[in-house]
Amino acid sequence: AQKVTQAQTEISVVEKEDVTLDCVYETRDTTYYLFWYKQPPSGELVFLIRRNSFDEQNEISGRYSWNFQKSTSSFNFTITASQVVDSAVYFCALSEAGTGGFKTIFGAGTRLFVKA
Amino acid sequence: DSGVTQTPKHLITATGQRVTLRCSPRSGDLSVYWYQQSLDQGLQFLIQYYNGEERAKGNILERFSAQQFPDLHSELNLSSLELGDSALYFCASSPSATTSTDTQYFGPGTRLTVL
Repeated sequence: AQKVTQAQTEISVVEKEDVTLDCVYETRDTTYYLFWYKQPPSGELVFLIRRNSFDEQNEISGRYSWNFQKSTSSFNFTITASQVVDSAVYFCALSEAGTGGFKTIFGAGTRLFVKA
Repeated sequence: DSGVTQTPKHLITATGQRVTLRCSPRSGDLSVYWYQQSLDQGLQFLIQYYNGEERAKGNILERFSAQQFPDLHSELNLSSLELGDSALYFCASSPSATTSTDTQYFGPGTRLTVL
């Protein structure tokens, strides 16, 4: 069965600190996709990144970076030099092919507070 | 603005009632996804439609149903409502059938309160 664990319920940092959000997943499929989404206080969901199971290259986008390690079934997300606007709930998600299509499950989310 | 619209924004109803939530995808997107976000269950994928056909099913209750119309808008019908159905319901859209290459764009959500 598939599962996504975000062990950190809440993280609080001071602006300009680096912060890493952990995500550990379980799946029996060899083909799957991992995602990070951001949900700011306003409530909308914003897609941040998708990574497929065959691509273990780490990715950097501005202050955001992602570390995908199949050996440890982890897909961690690092924000460098955090800013107040990064305050949000961040969700890690896993999609694996089910009958007729991909189904997505989400972790419980990590609430990040960035204090000025 | 993601380009995905959802109506209504808020809905308050009573237990046992039936409601319909509506979603209009981004122009050109053929897939529509429905998600439920509640305090108890967190974020859950409910169902996906692609070009009018059901494509994938998640944790959708039998009391819930969805459809996608020829103009690609989608409706999520929730019946025999219970207190536990109170949640934020998100719709998302993407161009194709799978999440393998697509970005999903989310609507602002419909907040359903069942009293």
